[in-house]
Amino acid sequence: ETGVTQSPTHLIKTRGQQVTLRCSSQSGHNTVSWYQQALGQGPQFIFQYYREEENGRGNFPPRFSGLQFPNYSSELNVNALELDDSALYLCASSLVGEEKLFFGSGTQLSVL
Amino acid sequence: GQQLNQSPQSMFIQEGEDVSMNCTSSSIFNTWLWYKQDPGEGPVLLIALYKAGELTSNGRLTAQFGITRKDSFLNISASIPSDVGIYFCAGQGGTSYGKLTFGQGTILTVHP
Repeated sequence: ETGVTQSPTHLIKTRGQQVTLRCSSQSGHNTVSWYQQALGQGPQFIFQYYREEENGRGNFPPRFSGLQFPNYSSELNVNALELDDSALYLCASSLVGEEKLFFGSGTQLSVL
Repeated sequence: GQQLNQSPQSMFIQEGEDVSMNCTSSSIFNTWLWYKQDPGEGPVLLIALYKAGELTSNGRLTAQFGITRKDSFLNISASIPSDVGIYFCAGQGGTSYGKLTFGQGTILTVHP
């Protein structure tokens, strides 16, 4: 059974740039959620995707957007990067209706 | 919005000691989960709780879903050095599957 994989592991961008982060779900899972974890904090829910559509969103601005593909992999896109976007971005997969989320190792994004 | 208060923020214990940590919420949750996160990694699911009053064990770990549905507890017995890490509680409410609200984490240090 393949776990959740994320790429890249680390990324450095400058303010105003755009970034795309990628995630492959655990095999058999059809739902993907994205979380932002600032240093010293717990993860914060960004949004969830099911059947290639956004299925719930946290308190994040529209410049945070996502995609889910037919193979259940997913992308997180962030436009007009700000310094406060520096964080660990975590992808989690699950079965629809299941509360248990399984996380990848994350992408550490630094915005300079 | 929902807030989770996790305590203590950090713990320094000797190998072999038992550990207790808890999480309280301003709102009712339907599911409580406990995760452990190691540096540079994503959270790993330890225990999931689905009913008020439920007591569930996973090896040396025992967790309880509070009767009021607004709190949860995690106990680790006979701690070992590999228990070091950050422990997070997370709650899920309503039908927002995939949207977990996390606590701030408890940093556990175990001295050999």
